[in-house]
Order: sequence, then structure tokens, then C-alpha cells
Amino acid sequence: EADIYQTPRYLVIGTGKKITLECSQTMGHDKMYWYQQDPGMELHLIHYSYGVNSTEKGDLSSESTVSRIRTEHFPLTLESARPSHTSQYLCASSPGLAATGGTGELFFGEGSRLTVL
Amino acid sequence: QQPVQSPQAVILREGEDAVINCSSSKALYSVHWYRQKHGEAPVFLMILLKGGEQKGHDKISASFNEKKQQSSLYLTASQLSYSGTYFCGTEGFGNEKLTFGTGTRLTIIP
Repeated sequence: EADIYQTPRYLVIGTGKKITLECSQTMGHDKMYWYQQDPGMELHLIHYSYGVNSTEKGDLSSESTVSRIRTEHFPLTLESARPSHTSQYLCASSPGLAATGGTGELFFGEGSRLTVL
Repeated sequence: QQPVQSPQAVILREGEDAVINCSSSKALYSVHWYRQKHGEAPVFLMILLKGGEQKGHDKISASFNEKKQQSSLYLTASQLSYSGTYFCGTEGFGNEKLTFGTGTRLTIIP
């Protein structure tokens, strides 16, 4: 069973607030990812990390930022939330994709559903 | 660019078969398949690494044509538990990104 946790699961906030979505994994994985998904829609990669002190932007432009100070922790921050940020944010980790010799599998957290009023 | 899946949605009766296709415009190192049930996180089904490789998982199997940059997922004798949205994920060369396809919603009815 995957050991990756996201908090909060649900968050309703007002426009202009700063929010941080937490993601932690206990599997010692170097690779971590944030995906954004609207209900019933596609998964869009917004950030990923190769390891500590490494962060990269994904395929979908996002106003959020991430940090990776510890292997197990990959928080996502929105400095000033807007209604357009309303979505579900899924965190995932991996021991490494196949091209770099890993098993390839992504383990997902249960997601953080954000609503900005 | 995002891989394109077809069909977008399919409804089957229990016991029928389905094929879901995934096509990419980029050269691929591997193709993943995931299933996401409503309100849940995606769950890994399988990964295909080589051109022409086929793999199986219970009554779910897949193929990967490296030259055409395409993969297909085959579901045989579908069960109610197969319902959900299926995503392919494609991995290119030289980075650790997994880009997911447009998704296929599968509904199995008794």
C-alpha cells in the first residue's frame, strides 16, 4: 500500500488568501509530482522534482510554486488564491521512471480539493 | 503535447470486450496505464517498455508499438469493477516526466 499523504483533503477559502497544500511520502522516493485535475477531466502536470533542492515546471503553466527541502516533503503554495485555482491537486511519488532505471510506477495521494470563492 | 486517447467514453455490458487507444506525437520510452475510479486517486495498472511489447494483468492486457508511438489497452470479459476512467501516461527520453492522456471513461452495466 502506498504511503503518500496529502493535507488538507478539502479546503474552501476566499480570494487573495495564501494557501499551502502539503504532500508527504514515507517511501524514500526521489521523484515527486503535482498534477492538477478538474472533476472528470484530464491530469495535468504542473510541477515535479528530481530530488532535494530540485524543482521543475510541468506541462501546464501554474501560478503555484513548490519547494523540496526534504526528500519526503513536497508542498505546493499559492500566494494569492483566485477562483480560477479551484481544482483538485494530486501529489504523486515514484522511485524513478523507466528511462532512468526505475520501476516507473507513480503512487498517488488522495488529493486536495481546493475551492476559491 | 498531451497524448490523445480514443474513444473518449464507452459503455459496455458486463462480459463484453473493449479497446482503448493512446497515441503520442513524441518518441516514447514507455507507456503506463492507470485507472481512476470516481472520487479516488489513479491506480497503476501496468507499464510497457519495448516496441511491440505486450503485457497482461488478469483480463486486462496492453500493447505498445514504439514505431507508431501508440499503445492499446485491451479489456476482455469486462467486469463491473472495471468501470472508471483510464489514462495512458507517456514517458519520453531524458527527463522524469509522465504526461497523461486525455482519458477514456468506461462504464460497465449489468
